[in-house]
Amino acid sequence: SAVISQKPSRDICQRGTSLTIQCQVDSQVTMMFWYRQQPGQSLTLIATANQGSEATYESGFVIDKFPISRPNLTFSTLTVSNMSPEDSSIYLCSVDWGSDRGDTQYFGPGTRLTVL
Amino acid sequence: QKEVEQDPGPLSVPEGAIVSLNCTYSNSAFQYFMWYRQYSRKGPELLMYTYSSGNKEDGRFTAQVDKSSKYISLFIRDSQPSDSATYLCAMKAGGFKTIFGAGTRLFVKA
Repeated sequence: SAVISQKPSRDICQRGTSLTIQCQVDSQVTMMFWYRQQPGQSLTLIATANQGSEATYESGFVIDKFPISRPNLTFSTLTVSNMSPEDSSIYLCSVDWGSDRGDTQYFGPGTRLTVL
Repeated sequence: QKEVEQDPGPLSVPEGAIVSLNCTYSNSAFQYFMWYRQYSRKGPELLMYTYSSGNKEDGRFTAQVDKSSKYISLFIRDSQPSDSATYLCAMKAGGFKTIFGAGTRLFVKA
């Protein structure tokens, strides 16, 4: 199975600052997703980041707060901007190789963010 | 009504028990059905996936899909303390967004 890695694995940040989370995949993939998972909750999709197009954001998430880059088929970044304690969460990247691998999503290990 | 309903638990069972985890859904277009296991402080790990109806077995795990009832299940035989985790069901209609259940927390007591 492919490897999906994220950096950093965890961070503690001050209110008002920004953090950029990196997601690296060891094989090329078109469809990449960013999720948030708050304590004890399920997954909330932030945006879909397909290479070659602008990220598509879900309701309640905006580009100014969560800018995303997708420079190539193996890498993406999510920035959490102007952070507040409400942004404390686990942030997960996920990929879907489509029918090549069963049309299912695979997840990275997550980035645990705490905002003070 | 949510598209996917899953009881969050927690579900506590003794070691060796058979565990049954379930989800119901409302969208008849769903064709791909997945179960993910998520340990504390880790990302979700794909455990089982099934296309359309039927059963799929992998070791101690069996996934069942009943499209007529819009109901999916995951059975864990001979449960172990290492099975203690949150189990998320997920489903999609090919090419569309994956919809996740809320996750069921499972505790297997030694």
